[in-house]
Amino acid sequence: GAVVSQHPSRVICKSGTSVKIECRSLDFQATTMFWYRQFPKKSLMLMATSNEGSKATYEQGVEKDKFLINHASLTLSTLTVTSAHPEDSSFYICSASGPGRSFFGPGTRLTVL
Amino acid sequence: GDSVTQMEGPVTLSEEAFLTINCTYTATGYPSLFWYVQYPGEGLQLLLKATKADDKGSNKGFEATYRKETTSFHLEKGSVQVSDSAVYFCALSDQGGSARQLTFGSGTQLTVLP
Repeated sequence: GAVVSQHPSRVICKSGTSVKIECRSLDFQATTMFWYRQFPKKSLMLMATSNEGSKATYEQGVEKDKFLINHASLTLSTLTVTSAHPEDSSFYICSASGPGRSFFGPGTRLTVL
Repeated sequence: GDSVTQMEGPVTLSEEAFLTINCTYTATGYPSLFWYVQYPGEGLQLLLKATKADDKGSNKGFEATYRKETTSFHLEKGSVQVSDSAVYFCALSDQGGSARQLTFGSGTQLTVLP
């Protein structure tokens, strides 16, 4: 069964609204979670790395005020896309890592109208 | 910085054909190498990995050998099936331990026809 879940799997929102995506590790403690963005016909690009209880580390070019990441517990990280624009439409994937384990979530398809 | 260059797709094969998807990398130190597979409508799944030179990763009939001299990690399968149709990503990590920050290749779409 799934080891890492993401919710929602798909979301459609209006331009200017905010969307929260959850990433949960189901049966292990994820000390580190990674958020990736996958563009159509392109590879995954790492957006940020978050360690439980500390601020996320963002990759160059990723706006931290637009993509808010919270990793408040060892099983949950959230990515909030604030003031979404159509160009934020993408597939967002999290990866949860714990001692000796690392799994990807199934991804969230975000469409901004 | 680290980078992964992957054979561009799409690749279309007939069932039982031989598959090779090329992957080369650039990294400092001694990275771990991975192949991930993304089936239609699903998330990424680890297919196989190799953590040091000359290691061979294998799973579900797929194989890849870590070649340090050519900085390559080509994916092969002797006889593909329709169910192998998916997008395949080559990736590397130059970080030890369980926290795995990955650098991905661009992905190769494979379609296997019956």
